[in-house]
Amino acid sequence: NAGVTQTPKFQVLKTGQSMTLQCAQDMNHEYMSWYRQDPGMGLRLIHYSVGAGITDQGEVPNGYNVSRSTTEDFPLRLLSAAPSQTSVYFCASSHRAGGELFFGEGSRLTVL
Amino acid sequence: KNEVEQSPQNLTAQEGEFITINCSYSVGISALHWLQQHPGGGIVSLFMLSSGKKKHGRLIATINIQEKHSSLHITASHPRDSAVYICAVVGGNKLVFGAGTILRVKS
Repeated sequence: NAGVTQTPKFQVLKTGQSMTLQCAQDMNHEYMSWYRQDPGMGLRLIHYSVGAGITDQGEVPNGYNVSRSTTEDFPLRLLSAAPSQTSVYFCASSHRAGGELFFGEGSRLTVL
Repeated sequence: KNEVEQSPQNLTAQEGEFITINCSYSVGISALHWLQQHPGGGIVSLFMLSSGKKKHGRLIATINIQEKHSSLHITASHPRDSAVYICAVVGGNKLVFGAGTILRVKS
């Protein structure tokens, strides 16, 4: 039982490049979400999903796309990376929005 | 004003001390989480509350829905408790987080 698996752990991009952060969970959780963590600002919700085929925007969605084709996977795509997207990204899942949260280990992204 | 306010922002304690971290929120919620993040590490869930009080080992979490306030208490603190403690509230399908409380427990 791996829990929430997030890859890659580290990534360096140049401005304008695209990439996908992967998130997978093996707990059959319906709710999955992506956050960014910046110094002094705490965690902020980027996008979330309440089930396969359903996604919605969080507090800071601009510059990010998501999809939820399966219950297990919830990838986060940066279509054209900007330095402002330099951050640590966390994926989390739970049975429902108010349920116990399980976090991935985080992905540190640097955009030059 | 942030929807979720935590206090204090930083806290240094001596080993063995009783510690309280506070969380106030301004929106209606269905649940509140307390999370722990060690330096350079991942985030783990400590408690999920919708009412009353929960206890796990030396940790106690309480919530007062009417006053929109929650507290996290650590009894007999230990240096391994040094971490960032984060409060998060659930409104609808969205989570809103406090900025975190940095706790350092000295031996």
